[in-house]
Amino acid sequence: QKEVEQNSGPLSVPEGAIASLNCTYSDRGSQSFFWYRQYSGKSPELIMSIYSNGDKEDGRFTAQLNKASQYVSLLIRDSQPSDSATYLCVLGTSYGKLTFGQGTILTVHP
Amino acid sequence: KAGVTQTPRYLIKTRGQQVTLSCSPISGHRSVSWYQQTPGQGLQFLFEYFSETQRNKGNFPGRFSGRQFSNSRSEMNVSTLELGDSALYLCASSLLGQDQETQYFGPGTRLLVL
Repeated sequence: QKEVEQNSGPLSVPEGAIASLNCTYSDRGSQSFFWYRQYSGKSPELIMSIYSNGDKEDGRFTAQLNKASQYVSLLIRDSQPSDSATYLCVLGTSYGKLTFGQGTILTVHP
Repeated sequence: KAGVTQTPRYLIKTRGQQVTLSCSPISGHRSVSWYQQTPGQGLQFLFEYFSETQRNKGNFPGRFSGRQFSNSRSEMNVSTLELGDSALYLCASSLLGQDQETQYFGPGTRLLVL
């Protein structure tokens, strides 16, 4: 079992819709979770971090964490074409190690 | 603040050669992590340096090595290059390398091994 598994893509949504990205992880002791976005040919950039069970909202983005189910999700409301990118679910551990999921390619079409 | 910088941005090498990549972290950041990104394996952790010491290492062969200098700049070296080493190499910096810290990525070095 992979340490971090993301729902298979690619995901295509119309402009203005909600995009839902999901992720499960295997290490029950994991405490720190991130969603990074990577545009084609660019390096990853942080969208959201979440450490406690529940929801965390930042603008059009909402991250959800359920440690009992070992599940993390990211909702993007009012999706825009500029949101088209690869979204990476990431676990953070000490001593500078990030463990990445394989990524979900999101396309928002006008 | 200036972001993470990496040099060179592109490299072409042949099998058997060695290569050195450089990373300058954000000012004040002491932790530098290195990652390899390939289409097949995605992003994989190579190693992390803090205060000139390697604190963490991923599952890569000994051909991959690194070091960190007193100004927190870091280099990674790949010896005896193989075709499979063709990848985007990313470095990321954070203040202390703790699990809840954001890591900021550089633009990467794209290595092609022929």
